[in-house]
This record gives sequence, structure tokens and C-alpha cells, in this order.
Amino acid sequence: AQSVAQPEDQVNVAEGNPLTVKCTYSVSGNPYLFWYVQYPNRGLQFLLKYITGDNLVKGSYGFEAEFNKSQTSFHLKKPSALVSDSALYFCAVSANTGGFKTIFGAGTRLFVKA
Amino acid sequence: DGGITQSPKYLFRKEGQNVTLSCEQNLNHDAMYWYRQDPGQGLRLIYYSQIVNDFQKGDIAEGYSVSREKKESFPLTVTSAQKNPTAFYLCASSTPPNEQFFGPGTRLTVL
Repeated sequence: AQSVAQPEDQVNVAEGNPLTVKCTYSVSGNPYLFWYVQYPNRGLQFLLKYITGDNLVKGSYGFEAEFNKSQTSFHLKKPSALVSDSALYFCAVSANTGGFKTIFGAGTRLFVKA
Repeated sequence: DGGITQSPKYLFRKEGQNVTLSCEQNLNHDAMYWYRQDPGQGLRLIYYSQIVNDFQKGDIAEGYSVSREKKESFPLTVTSAQKNPTAFYLCASSTPPNEQFFGPGTRLTVL
């Protein structure tokens, strides 16, 4: 069965510092991995994805993520955090088994302090 | 302007009532999804549809029903059998295996 773990409920970082939001996954078959961001009372917005190719994926707003097959991880990173990055971040995984059903992690709340 | 829309933004339901949440997309996506989000929690899949006239139950389908008569539309009915329906409901669409596009959500409150 597919599963996604975001081990941190909350991440606190100072503005200008690098940030990392962690995600590990479990799937049968090749994984398709995604990061989304949610601002209060809004739908989710897509940030980036890994389907195939380079393990380092670059996405919107300066975010990037590295696919690590041996550690089954897909951590979200940004070299320099902004206060406006404060939001709820979701990692998601799907696979070509089970009709690409997508499983979302529980979410990690990011606080960036000025 | 391409996108996915949900209506209404806020909905109030009395005990014993059925209510229907609307979801429309003009992105020409084959797949559509309904999720429920509770405070401080992630998204749980209610129903999904990979093609017109076909849909599958997700992890928490009890008390909900859907239809997919048109590619653009995937309405969700919250029935009186759903004992705790107060939540934020999100609709999404995609062309698998690519990312999902989400609507702005409907906040349902039981009075």
C-alpha cells in the first residue's frame, strides 16, 4: 500500500536561512512525487514534481526537491526562506499501480520569522 | 481563463439534509477528485473519477455520493448518512500521472 510520511508537524526558520521540509514515501512500483502548498482557506497549489529524469527537481518560487530512491525520500528545500513562504506544505505520492491514486501526507506547517 | 471552480464557498446544512457541492473544470482533464480536509489534518480522498460515467470510492466514501455525467463536472452530494460532515471540501482535476489542480474549496458547516 502507498503511504507518505511528513515527520514534522511544524518547521520554524528565520528569514534568509535555508529551509527543509521532510517527506518519505512507500509505494509499489515507480513513484510519482509532488509538493503542494496551501495558504489559509485556499485550495492547494502545485510547487514541483518528480516523475522521471534528474533527481534534483526545481519548481515554483525558488523551491527544489531531491528524489532519493535508496532513502525513499523527497525533501523540499529552499536556499533562502521568505516570510511569505509561511504556509502549509503537503507531500504526495502516486504510482502507476492502482490507477495513479494519490496519497497526501498530513502536512507540515512552515513558519518563517522576520 | 482555464481553471477549476467550486461553489458555493460556504455552505450550511441542517441535520438530516442532503447538500450538493459543485465542481467544474475547463482544463480538459480526464480525472477528477474530491477530498475532505479537517482542521490540522491532511487530505482524505472521498471519491475519484478517471473517466466520464465511471468513479471509484476513496478512503472515506461512506455518507457521500458523486456523479460524472460530463467531463467538466463532478458534483459531490453529502447525504444525511454522513454523521460528521463539517469540514473543508476540495475538488481537483488532473491528467495522470501529472499534478492535480485544485479548486478554492467549499467550507461546509452543520448547524
